[in-house]
Amino acid sequence: AQSVTQLGSHVSVSEGALVLLRCNYSSSVPPYLFWYVQYPNQGLQLLLKYTSAATLVKGINGFEAEFKKSETSFHLTKPSAHMSDAAEYFCAVSQDDKIIFGKGTRLHILP
Amino acid sequence: DTGVSQNPRHKITKRGQNVTFRCDPISEHNRLYWYRQTLGQGPEFLTYFQNEAQLEKSRLLSDRFSAERPKGSFSTLEIQRTEQGDSAMYLCASSLQTGAYGYTFGSGTRLTVV
Repeated sequence: AQSVTQLGSHVSVSEGALVLLRCNYSSSVPPYLFWYVQYPNQGLQLLLKYTSAATLVKGINGFEAEFKKSETSFHLTKPSAHMSDAAEYFCAVSQDDKIIFGKGTRLHILP
Repeated sequence: DTGVSQNPRHKITKRGQNVTFRCDPISEHNRLYWYRQTLGQGPEFLTYFQNEAQLEKSRLLSDRFSAERPKGSFSTLEIQRTEQGDSAMYLCASSLQTGAYGYTFGSGTRLTVV
């Protein structure tokens, strides 16, 4: 069964600093991988997805993620954090016809 | 395309009551998914449909839970004899092809059982 592990349930960064949210997947075959964002009392919005076309994936709101097979990782980054980036972020992996989500990382932006 | 719509947005019910939630997917999407999300956790898969056929149910979906998609369009999720442990956000999502390519989520229905 596919799974993802998100390192750190809470991450705090200063406004303007680099954002790095970590995700490792468990699979010998590169699956489809996703990052979703969730704002309070909202559903999930797709930030970006990896579909084997390119290892560096660019998403919305200035986020990007790099697929590293050797490290089974798919970390999410953004060069400069903005207050509006404060939210919960979920890494996810495809399994059969559905998506399996990690436990999430809450991103706090410090002024 | 108005996105995935879920109603109601919030539901407060007394323990032991039955509740029903509705999800209207994006019109051309043939796959529809239900997830449950508790506080501080990621969404957990409950069940999904391809058109009107329910193709998979998680073991999380106890006998008190039932989902339908009678005409392959909207779906309902019913919980009978609610328990406090059922308090959660119930999320619906839809996709045009296999969900493995990603879904579009609704805003969810937050259930509080008192």
